[in-house]
Amino acid sequence: AQSVSQHNHHVILSEAASLELGCNYSYGGTVNLFWYVQYPGQHLQLLLKYFSGDPLVKGIKGFEAEFIKSKFSFNLRKPSVQWSDTAEYFCAVNEAAGNKLTFGGGTRVLVKP
Amino acid sequence: EPEVTQTPSHQVTQMGQEVILRCVPISNHLYFYWYRQILGQKVEFLVSFYNNEISEKSEIFDDQFSVERPDGSNFTLKIRSTKLEDSAMYFCASSGPSFAFFGQGTRLTVV
Repeated sequence: AQSVSQHNHHVILSEAASLELGCNYSYGGTVNLFWYVQYPGQHLQLLLKYFSGDPLVKGIKGFEAEFIKSKFSFNLRKPSVQWSDTAEYFCAVNEAAGNKLTFGGGTRVLVKP
Repeated sequence: EPEVTQTPSHQVTQMGQEVILRCVPISNHLYFYWYRQILGQKVEFLVSFYNNEISEKSEIFDDQFSVERPDGSNFTLKIRSTKLEDSAMYFCASSGPSFAFFGQGTRLTVV
């Protein structure tokens, strides 16, 4: 069965700091990879996704993620965070379009102004 | 932007009562899902629905749970006899060929 792990449960940063959130998954086959964000009081929103092709994917709000197949990783990065990036970030995986998502435990990010 | 809507946003119910959580998926999507998140835990898959039938369900989705798409637009999750441990945030999602859109969730509190 698939599993997804996110290394950090809580991250606290100052504005303009760089952010990197780790995500590893366990599954031997082809996967689709996602990062979702949940801002306080809001629903889960897609930040970015990887299906195939260039392993460096760019998403909304200046986020990017790199798929490293050999490491089963899909880490999320942002070079310079803003206070408005305070949110919970979820990595998720599925095996094919339409299939269920398996989520990591989430990482709460607090950006101090 | 298209969105998935869920009602109610918060439901409080007594143990043993039936609850129905409602969702309106995005209109041209074909796949529908329910997930839940118990406070402090992971988002967990409950069930997926495609072509008017359940396509996959998790161990959590036992006989107390059922889903329905009664009228071609709504997608409901029914919990027949709620237990304290059913207290959680329940998320509905729908997807087309690409990625899933999520609703804002229904916070279910069983007392």
